[in-house]
Amino acid sequence: GNSVTQMEGPVTLSEEAFLTINCTYTATGYPSLFWYVQYPGEGLQLLLKATKADDKGSNKGFEATYRKETTSFHLEKGSVQVSDSAVYFCALQTGANSKLTFGKGITLSVRP
Amino acid sequence: EAGVTQSPTHLIKTRGQQATLRCSPISGHTSVYWYQQALGLGLQFLLWYDEGEERNRGNFPPRFSGRQFPNYSSELNVNALELEDSALYLCASSQGGASGGPETQYFGPGTRLLVL
Repeated sequence: GNSVTQMEGPVTLSEEAFLTINCTYTATGYPSLFWYVQYPGEGLQLLLKATKADDKGSNKGFEATYRKETTSFHLEKGSVQVSDSAVYFCALQTGANSKLTFGKGITLSVRP
Repeated sequence: EAGVTQSPTHLIKTRGQQATLRCSPISGHTSVYWYQQALGLGLQFLLWYDEGEERNRGNFPPRFSGRQFPNYSSELNVNALELEDSALYLCASSQGGASGGPETQYFGPGTRLLVL
């Protein structure tokens, strides 16, 4: 079956530090890949997505590239801000309109 | 454009009672998904409705059920509540129908259910 593995957390960084959050997946077929973010006390917000190999999703300074050869979709940001403190979920979807399979999520804390 | 809305925001029930959670999708979306986010268990898929029909179901007991109305809003019912049903229940919507490709799901703020 489908699965998503995220690196263990939590992660604590200083403001303006470089961020990498690892995500690898196992899936049948050719999944679409997503990063969602959950701010404290809120639901999930779509951060970025990629639907085919070598696609790069980007939003708000965050980027992730769909790597089919390594089955990975690592999230990166060059300079984090305190406002980026949240829980980040990697997810995949196979087939039209099917369910999302999520990783366990990782908590990012950015200190001033 | 309004996003996905859910009600109530918080719900407190006692063991054995029934809970009803409601979701209104983004205008124009016909697919509604329900997920459970329980502490320590991550996000688990519960149910998917499209065009009024249940399309897929996650690994949850039958006391978790729901329906989708003609206006595409949806209801999740949890019968015979157990303590471990305490969780954040998230609803998501997507365009659905015969789009022929994967559709991005947009989430609501969730309903936090506490079972005492």
